Amino acid sequence: DAGVIQSPRHEVTEMGQEVTLRCKPISGHNSLFWYRQTMMRGLELLIYFNNNVPIDDSGMPEDRFSAKMPNASFSTLKIQPSEPRDSAVYFCASSPSGGGDTQYFGPGTRLTVL
Amino acid sequence: DAKTTQPTSMDCAEGRAANLPCNHSTISGNEYVYWYRQIHSQGPQYIIHGLKNNETNEMASLIITEDRKSSTLILPHATLRDTAVYYCIVRVRNFGNEKLTFGTGTRLTIIP
Repeated sequence: DAGVIQSPRHEVTEMGQEVTLRCKPISGHNSLFWYRQTMMRGLELLIYFNNNVPIDDSGMPEDRFSAKMPNASFSTLKIQPSEPRDSAVYFCASSPSGGGDTQYFGPGTRLTVL
Repeated sequence: DAKTTQPTSMDCAEGRAANLPCNHSTISGNEYVYWYRQIHSQGPQYIIHGLKNNETNEMASLIITEDRKSSTLILPHATLRDTAVYYCIVRVRNFGNEKLTFGTGTRLTIIP
């Protein structure tokens, strides 16, 4: 099993640019999560999907952030326009069926906004 | 979800058992104790979880006190690869409550 796949692994962009982060969950998993990690705020959940439907997006910081899951094997997190304070490591995780199942994390995308 | 308290950092000699404590005095009857760890520059990794009974798997053992107000994660023979931040999380297991709330965790350093 390849595990959760995220791309790109590193992204450097300039303020105001659009950024798209991608995630492929583990095959057969029905829940997908996007987390963000910074030194100041630690690890925090942004949004999660169950069966491709967004269930809780209360952690999405503002309208500049959006997430989609068009099918069971792909999700995107988009930031438009990006700001320096968005610099962080973004993790995607998936779990088999939700309901408190173990979450399996990807390697993360390190985003730097200049 | 109940709040947890963990020491900020701990050291352990390689080959010895590492015992990581977690206090969760406000835990409710249907809340589980989960442990995850994060090795530097990697995503968090699930270790173990339990409700009231002690649990053991290939990675670790989880000891939960009888009143469930605290627990201890035990790595029986710590290696250098166990150096990581360890997170204790308490949560209800049900659909719609998928959120893992990570605190600051315990930074465990294994000393050669």
